[in-house]
Amino acid sequence: DSGVTQTPKHLITATGQRVTLRCSPRSGDLSVYWYQQSLDQGLQFLIQYYNGEERAKGNILERFSAQQFPDLHSELNLSSLELGDSALYFCASSETDRTTNYGYTFGSGTRLTVV
Amino acid sequence: SQQGEEDPQALSIQEGENATMNCSYKTSINNLQWYRQNSGRGLVHLILIRSNEREKHSGRLRVTLDTSKKSSSLLITASRAADTASYFCATDGSGGSNYKLTFGKGTLLTVNP
Repeated sequence: DSGVTQTPKHLITATGQRVTLRCSPRSGDLSVYWYQQSLDQGLQFLIQYYNGEERAKGNILERFSAQQFPDLHSELNLSSLELGDSALYFCASSETDRTTNYGYTFGSGTRLTVV
Repeated sequence: SQQGEEDPQALSIQEGENATMNCSYKTSINNLQWYRQNSGRGLVHLILIRSNEREKHSGRLRVTLDTSKKSSSLLITASRAADTASYFCATDGSGGSNYKLTFGKGTLLTVNP
């Protein structure tokens, strides 16, 4: 157990639907990062939050949004889902808004399948 | 877009042999990190090397960094079947306030018993 909790572990949904992925960072970590992993694109950075504020944005589609709540957990919302959104979605956390000697701590991911 | 590119894409060796994986990147970095991912699982941080360091060791892992060539290598000595996994390099870009990690596509290492 890495200390980063992601729920649900698996999600199967239909095209056009909306889903919410949840992440609780490791205790004491203020930064949360979301990544999408697919076979063809590899690990793509989506978005970073630090202590409730958006800090960096990557290749995140407009159909996707995220937020970090006062208790530091984060949610990634994916809407108008398409088949191509099927992927593993990872949440990672770190102590500050920059990497330290310990890098990121990753959760075990949510496997999203859009049918 | 990928910052790091690992080479080779796949590597198959026998238990006890050493495994070497390489990573090349494009822009200046603060540090470079290596992660391991077992199939379908989360990534695990292995080691971090800063831009002013040339070599670092951790157990059976040895990482080198050549900033003039924008490249790094990860050596796993005396490999074990349990080392079978994908290995990713990740770079933390220098400058500005954007400290997100950018990952390569990884090297799939298979260690045969």
